[in-house]
Amino acid sequence: GEDVEQSLFLSVREGDSSVINCTYTDSSSTYLYWYKQEPGAGLQLLTYIFSNMDMKQDQRLTVLLNKKDKHLSLRIADTQTGDSAIYFCAERKGDSGAGSYQLTFGKGTKLSVIP
Amino acid sequence: EAGVTQFPSHSVIEKGQTVTLRCDPISGHDNLYWYRRVMGKEIKFLLHFVKESKQDESGMPNNRFLAERTGGTYSTLKVQPAELEDSGVYFCASSHRTVRLTDTQYFGPGTRLTVL
Repeated sequence: GEDVEQSLFLSVREGDSSVINCTYTDSSSTYLYWYKQEPGAGLQLLTYIFSNMDMKQDQRLTVLLNKKDKHLSLRIADTQTGDSAIYFCAERKGDSGAGSYQLTFGKGTKLSVIP
Repeated sequence: EAGVTQFPSHSVIEKGQTVTLRCDPISGHDNLYWYRRVMGKEIKFLLHFVKESKQDESGMPNNRFLAERTGGTYSTLKVQPAELEDSGVYFCASSHRTVRLTDTQYFGPGTRLTVL
């Protein structure tokens, strides 16, 4: 199976909360990231969480990590039309011995915000 | 501080031709990464430079791809000869070289390559 899995689409109404889910398979993952890609733009780092944390909050963003189930979620409170984008979950497995910190990405969840 | 820049933003070439993509990392970042997203698939790691040295090239698909980072500043990724399956968006990322694990990667806007 894939290393990182996400649902492909999510549609919410403006003002509601959005929850984007992600599952990963490698229990040795050290950091887990959420990136945002707006149309025609590159990947913007939104937030990250270290694997020994359960939760991280940053303004409207809340990241929850269930390490036992290898489940990561991103909650966006008071979703705005400007939040419409593709959200990528990514994991980093730490030093693989070669000193590489390569990221493994999911396919991305396209969030559509309905006015 | 300028972000990661990539050139060109789009490239359309015919099968069999050669294309060279360029990435300028954030100034002072020793780590430089190349990733690729083929249509409908995940963003996949290609390789990782630390300064001018290739640290990990395990994601390079085949020997038609050649990455360089002479002088440890900007990097180029050359595809020769290009095939149809090489079409996709090529992302570059850079990060500080630190002893801590917080190696946040900052991505460029990507180069969209179309091979006809």
